[in-house]
Amino acid sequence: NAGVTQTPKFRILKIGQSMTLQCTQDMNHNYMYWYRQDPGMGLKLIYYSVGAGITDKGEVPNGYNVSRSTTEDFPLRLELAAPSQTSVYFCASNNRGAHGYTFGSGTRLTVV
Amino acid sequence: GQQLNQSPQSMFIQEGEDVSMNCTSSSIFNTWLWYKQDPGEGPVLLIALYKAGELTSNGRLTAQFGITRKDSFLNISASIPSDVGIYFCAGMNYGGSQGNLIFGKGTKLSVKP
Repeated sequence: NAGVTQTPKFRILKIGQSMTLQCTQDMNHNYMYWYRQDPGMGLKLIYYSVGAGITDKGEVPNGYNVSRSTTEDFPLRLELAAPSQTSVYFCASNNRGAHGYTFGSGTRLTVV
Repeated sequence: GQQLNQSPQSMFIQEGEDVSMNCTSSSIFNTWLWYKQDPGEGPVLLIALYKAGELTSNGRLTAQFGITRKDSFLNISASIPSDVGIYFCAGMNYGGSQGNLIFGKGTKLSVKP
């Protein structure tokens, strides 16, 4: 099992550019999540999904979009990158009733 | 929304010392979790607590779920250099169709050999 795989690991974007952060898991988990981590601020939930075809907003969804066409994949889309989106992004997954999430190793995004 | 206050923000200790950190919440949780994040990696689950008053150990780590269900602490005994990292507490409630983790802001631990 690879667990939760995120790509790319690093990316520099110019203001206004768009990109998709990829996340895939091979554990057949129903639930998937996207968090952003800013220094000293812990992790904040952007979007989550309880299954294929179902997504919902978290605490900080503005400027992001997600889709969940399969159980395995949960991409995060930035349409118009802004400096405020400079952060480390983590994808995570678990199953309903399972305590604790499995996290990917993160994508470090810089918007200049 | 629910918030977690985690303290201390950072700690600088000597190898071999014991470490204690805690988390408090304005509301109750059904589950408390403690994660560790190594530099450049995602958080990894250390200990999960499911019942008020529960005391659980994992090697040199011990964590407790507070009686009021609004707090939890993590102790690390006899620290070693590989304990360096950021430790996060997280609270979880199961409601509706999804369990959502609320994270503390983390305690950054530095260990001097």
